[in-house]
Amino acid sequence: ETGVTQTPRHLVMGMTNKKSLKCEQHLGHNAMYWYKQSAKKPLELMFVYSLEERVENNSVPSRFSPECPNSSHLFLHLHTLQPEDSALYLCASSPDRSSYEQYFGPGTRLTVT
Amino acid sequence: GQSLEQPSEVTAVEGAIVQINCTYQTSGFYGLSWYQQHDGGAPTFLSYNALDGLEETGRFSSFLSRSDSYGYLLLQELQMKDSASYFCAVWEDSNYQLIWGAGTKLIIKP
Repeated sequence: ETGVTQTPRHLVMGMTNKKSLKCEQHLGHNAMYWYKQSAKKPLELMFVYSLEERVENNSVPSRFSPECPNSSHLFLHLHTLQPEDSALYLCASSPDRSSYEQYFGPGTRLTVT
Repeated sequence: GQSLEQPSEVTAVEGAIVQINCTYQTSGFYGLSWYQQHDGGAPTFLSYNALDGLEETGRFSSFLSRSDSYGYLLLQELQMKDSASYFCAVWEDSNYQLIWGAGTKLIIKP
């Protein structure tokens, strides 16, 4: 079974919509991450959760709201997004926060119209 | 500021050898990682160097020089399936974060 799964794979939403991205990891890891990937730019770390507790929030606008109900699931709630938020949103996990090796899901391709 | 520099695109021939360079400038450094990402796919971990020198894993090798803030990924006996983007990333020990380069798109021609 795939280690890290993400749904949906593609999402088109208007600026006034509310949607959520879901990530699930089947690896027994204790740390989970949200990244934003834009074309020809470095991956941007958005949020880090360790043992279900948010430990990093890298100056992400409040229109992005993460939720980690347990160590296997991570959500990214989206509302009133802007067109510049269109990107690939990647979820990753690692055994713990101090692990340099991260395991990524395939991402959600988000388009904001 | 913090930055990693790597070429945006590299082209090579099937069966050849290619080297993808990465220079970094970060406030903290613990090690250098490399990830591979195929179009439409997830980034996957390839290697990690914490000490100077060459680490070999099959057809792929990774090198680090801490004094030069430089590393590279070496791919040998290139195959068409190696066509992908390759990202270098610095592991910062100060805040346990990966700082990423913008990626190098490797194009392989038959």
